[in-house]
Amino acid sequence: DSGVTQTPKHLITATGQRVTLRCSPRSGDLSVYWYQQSLDQGLQFLIQYYNGEERAKGNILERFSAQQFPDLHSELNLSSLELGDSALYFCASSVNGASLVTEAFFGQGTRLTVV
Amino acid sequence: DAKTTQPNSMESNEEEPVHLPCNHSTISGTDYIHWYRQLPSQGPEYVIHGLTSNVNNRMASLAIAEDRKSSTLILHRATLRDAAVYYCILRDVRGGSEKLVFGKGTKLTVNP
Repeated sequence: DSGVTQTPKHLITATGQRVTLRCSPRSGDLSVYWYQQSLDQGLQFLIQYYNGEERAKGNILERFSAQQFPDLHSELNLSSLELGDSALYFCASSVNGASLVTEAFFGQGTRLTVV
Repeated sequence: DAKTTQPNSMESNEEEPVHLPCNHSTISGTDYIHWYRQLPSQGPEYVIHGLTSNVNNRMASLAIAEDRKSSTLILHRATLRDAAVYYCILRDVRGGSEKLVFGKGTKLTVNP
């Protein structure tokens, strides 16, 4: 158990809908990362938050957004869903200061299926 | 982000050592070398990281070339539970972002 909790584990929804994925980081971890893993694209970095603020952005679509709340949990919102958004979405957390090099801990992922 | 090159797949026999290579010829002085692995149906898992010197931990050893342009992850005695995709990642901590950029990794098959 990595200590990172993602809910729900599975989600099936229709095209055009909106969903919210939730991530609770390990206790004490200030950074949260979101990744998308599909069969043909591998693990793609989407976005990172550090202590409530956006820190880095990757290949995140405009239809997707994220935020990190004061209690440090994070949510990834996916809207106007398309079939191609079907994937595993992973959340990771780490302590991370400005120059600390620490390991990241990944959750078990949310499997999103868009039908 | 600096790139890494790994073989697509490797095979090993159970209880034998495994050497997983990684080339990173464009590595910069501030890049740390990280290894993660992803077991089937699970999230990635940290294995080890280093900067210049060789590193050991309970899971594996990391051997880093003197010029830092390549590194090797060593599993001393492979078990069936080590079958996974292994990712070699360069992690630059300058600028306040410590994101991990995953490549395609090496799929390790361990034969009984």
